[in-house]
Amino acid sequence: GENVEQHPSTLSVQEGDSAVIKCTYSDSASNYFPWYKQELGKRPQLIIDIRSNVGEKKDQRIAVTLNKTAKHFSLHITETQPEDSAVYFCAASISHSSASKIIFGSGTRLSIRP
Amino acid sequence: NAGVTQTPKFRVLKTGQSMTLLCAQDMNHEYMYWYRQDPGMGLRLIHYSVGEGTTAKGEVPDGYNVSRLKKQNFLLGLESAAPSQTSVYFCAAGTQLGYGYTFGSGTRLTVV
Repeated sequence: GENVEQHPSTLSVQEGDSAVIKCTYSDSASNYFPWYKQELGKRPQLIIDIRSNVGEKKDQRIAVTLNKTAKHFSLHITETQPEDSAVYFCAASISHSSASKIIFGSGTRLSIRP
Repeated sequence: NAGVTQTPKFRVLKTGQSMTLLCAQDMNHEYMYWYRQDPGMGLRLIHYSVGEGTTAKGEVPDGYNVSRLKKQNFLLGLESAAPSQTSVYFCAAGTQLGYGYTFGSGTRLTVV
């Protein structure tokens, strides 16, 4: 089955610097890659996603890149702010399939130092 | 619209007791999922359903049962709770397109 590995497990960056979280997936049929942000005690919320026919997607200070050949995808946060502190999860799934299950990485705890 | 609602929010069980967690959605989504979240292990899929009357096993189904008698509800049952089932449980709803889920607010379960 699908497996998603995520690194690093913890990340601390100075406010204003950039943060990068990397993931790899195992199933070459995966075609949808969402990223979720989970603040302490709250539910995961979708922040950005990318589909396999696109190499990069940006939304203000966040961007995702996808390398299908290497089965790698990454989240980039620029000009980090205190409210970016949270746990971030990458995920992969096969959309339009009979189940569209999303398999998650183990998460990255991002801390922004003032 | 409430989206996805989970009840209860917190529960403490004794080993061997049973309980049912309820997930309700008002988005008319076909697909529903139950995940458990443990420190350092992300979100692991327990069971899922692709429509009313259907269920299937996920990554960690042992010790749990589910039912989807109505499209809007997805129940997760623990017949005989064990301390290893102490976790935060999240329900999610989605479409066949698989483009993103909407999560419920979670249920924190402690088995003592």
